[in-house]
Amino acid sequence: AQTVTQSQPEMSVQEAETVTLSCTYDTSESDYYLFWYKQPPSRQMILVIRQEAYKQQNATENRFSVNFQKAAKSFSLKISDSQLGDAAMYFCAYRSGSQGNLIFGKGTKLSVKP
Amino acid sequence: DTEVTQTPKHLVMGMTNKKSLKCEQHMGHRAMYWYKQKAKKPPELMFVYSYEKLSINESVPSRFSPECPNSSLLNLHLHALQPEDSALYLCASSHPPRGNYGYTFGSGTRLTVV
Repeated sequence: AQTVTQSQPEMSVQEAETVTLSCTYDTSESDYYLFWYKQPPSRQMILVIRQEAYKQQNATENRFSVNFQKAAKSFSLKISDSQLGDAAMYFCAYRSGSQGNLIFGKGTKLSVKP
Repeated sequence: DTEVTQTPKHLVMGMTNKKSLKCEQHMGHRAMYWYKQKAKKPPELMFVYSYEKLSINESVPSRFSPECPNSSLLNLHLHALQPEDSALYLCASSHPPRGNYGYTFGSGTRLTVV
């Protein structure tokens, strides 16, 4: 069975600084997709960024980028120029190419200090 | 329209009540999901509908009864709930459960059982 591990329950970053959230996963599949979701206090889960396992190039979305290390099964999220609005719970998620359901890590709570 | 709309946003119900949660999307997604989320925990999958048919039931108690009347609408009927069922209930949708599509989540219904 696939598992997703986020080893940092809480992280803190100064406004305008850079922070990296860690995620590792375990799978025997070759076809899968990885996601980072953000859940602010407003409760809605928002897709931040996605990565296809077959792509070597790391995904980037504005201030958000990932470091995808397929051999190490690592998928970290880097947030540059952190803003107060980035404060939220961040969930790493795995989706099999065949089975399809999202499997979430336990989440990392990110605080941004002004 | 790129939203998943959930109603109501808040619900308080007694253990003998019958209530329903509603979820609606108009993105043409053919997979819809119900998740339960306890405080400071990741979402837990409850049900998956694919092309209006129930494809996954994660051993959810029968006091939760899902319904998918059409491709845009998903209901969750609640009856004889317990206080431990109090949680945030999230609905999500996606293109069919394969591929690199992330889920689009609604903002949830905060349920309190008294």
